[in-house]
Amino acid sequence: GENVEQHPSTLSVQEGDSAVIKCTYSDSASNYFPWYKQELGKGPQLIIDIRSNVGEKKDQRIAVTLNKTAKHFSLHITETQPEDSAVYFCAASKNNAGNMLTFGGGTRLMVKP
Amino acid sequence: DADVTQTPRNRITKTGKRIMLECSQTKGHDRMYWYRQDPGLGLRLIYYSFDVKDINKGEISDGYSVSRQAQAKFSLSLESAIPNQTALYFCATSDLALGTGGKTQYFGPGTRLLVL
Repeated sequence: GENVEQHPSTLSVQEGDSAVIKCTYSDSASNYFPWYKQELGKGPQLIIDIRSNVGEKKDQRIAVTLNKTAKHFSLHITETQPEDSAVYFCAASKNNAGNMLTFGGGTRLMVKP
Repeated sequence: DADVTQTPRNRITKTGKRIMLECSQTKGHDRMYWYRQDPGLGLRLIYYSFDVKDINKGEISDGYSVSRQAQAKFSLSLESAIPNQTALYFCATSDLALGTGGKTQYFGPGTRLLVL
């Protein structure tokens, strides 16, 4: 089955700096890669996703890049703000698995004012 | 997401007790999921259901059972709770994937369960 590794497990940055979280996946058939943000006491919320037919996607301060050859994808947050502090999860899915998502272990991002 | 609700939000129970966690959704989605979250382990799939008559085991189904009472309701039961089932439990829903890859999953707020 699919295996998703996520690094780092914790990340501390200064407000205004950039943050990068990286994930690798094992199944070359995976073609959908969402990123979720989980704030304290809440369920994970989708913040951005990318499909295997594109290499990069941006939404304001966040972007995701995908390297299918290397089987890794990354989340980039620019100009970080204290409200970006949360746990972030990457996940991977493929067509013939329906909507089955395999999640990475999570990254706790702390943005220091 | 307010469209996916879970009850209770917090529960303390004792070893050996039966407990049920409930999930309801107003998104009209066919697919529903139960996940367990432990520190450092991300979210692991317990059971999932693609429609009312469909129940499938996930990665860690031992010790759990589910019931899909209606399109909008999906319950998770611990038949005889044990301390290592102490965790945060999430329900999620998604729309039908139509051959274009995965679809977004929408999560409820979670149930924090403590088994003593």
